[in-house]
Amino acid sequence: GENVEQHPSTLSVQEGDSAVIKCTYSDSASNYFPWYKQELGKGPQLIIDIRSNVGEKKDQRIAVTLNKTAKHFSLHITETQPEDSAVYFCAASTGFGNEKLTFGTGTRLTIIP
Amino acid sequence: DAGITQSPRHKVTETGTPVTLRCHQTENHRYMYWYRQDPGHGLRLIHYSYGVKDTDKGEVSDGYSVSRSKTEDFLLTLESATSSQTSVYFCAISGDKNGAEAFFGQGTRLTVV
Repeated sequence: GENVEQHPSTLSVQEGDSAVIKCTYSDSASNYFPWYKQELGKGPQLIIDIRSNVGEKKDQRIAVTLNKTAKHFSLHITETQPEDSAVYFCAASTGFGNEKLTFGTGTRLTIIP
Repeated sequence: DAGITQSPRHKVTETGTPVTLRCHQTENHRYMYWYRQDPGHGLRLIHYSYGVKDTDKGEVSDGYSVSRSKTEDFLLTLESATSSQTSVYFCAISGDKNGAEAFFGQGTRLTVV
């Protein structure tokens, strides 16, 4: 089955700097790659996603890039703010729906004021 | 926030007892999912439902059963709880199978002693 590896497991950056979280996947059939943000005591929330027919997608300070050849995708957060502190999960789907989502193990991002 | 309510939010139970967790949605979404979240493992799919009385197994379904008799309710049952089922359980819903955004509930922290 699909295997998703996520790095780093923890990341601390100064407020205003950029943060990058990387994921690799094993199944070349994967075609949907969402990123979730989980704040303490809450459920994960989708922040951005990308499909395999697109190489990059941006939404304000957040961007995701996908390299299908290398089978990796990354989350980029620019101009980080204290409210960006959370656990971030990447995921990959080999099917057409969320039932086949395989999650990474998460990255705890801390923004240092 | 999407209308998802998980109950109970916290539960302590003894090994060998049956436990039922409830997920209730007010969004009339077709798809519902149960995940468990454990340190070092991210989120893993237990079971999912694609309609009333239509369910299927996920990655870690052993020891769990589900039922969906109404669109709005998805029940997860641990027939005989074990310590390895101590975890945080999340319910999620989505309205479309083709990679639509999944909305997560607040989670249920279950401790089996």
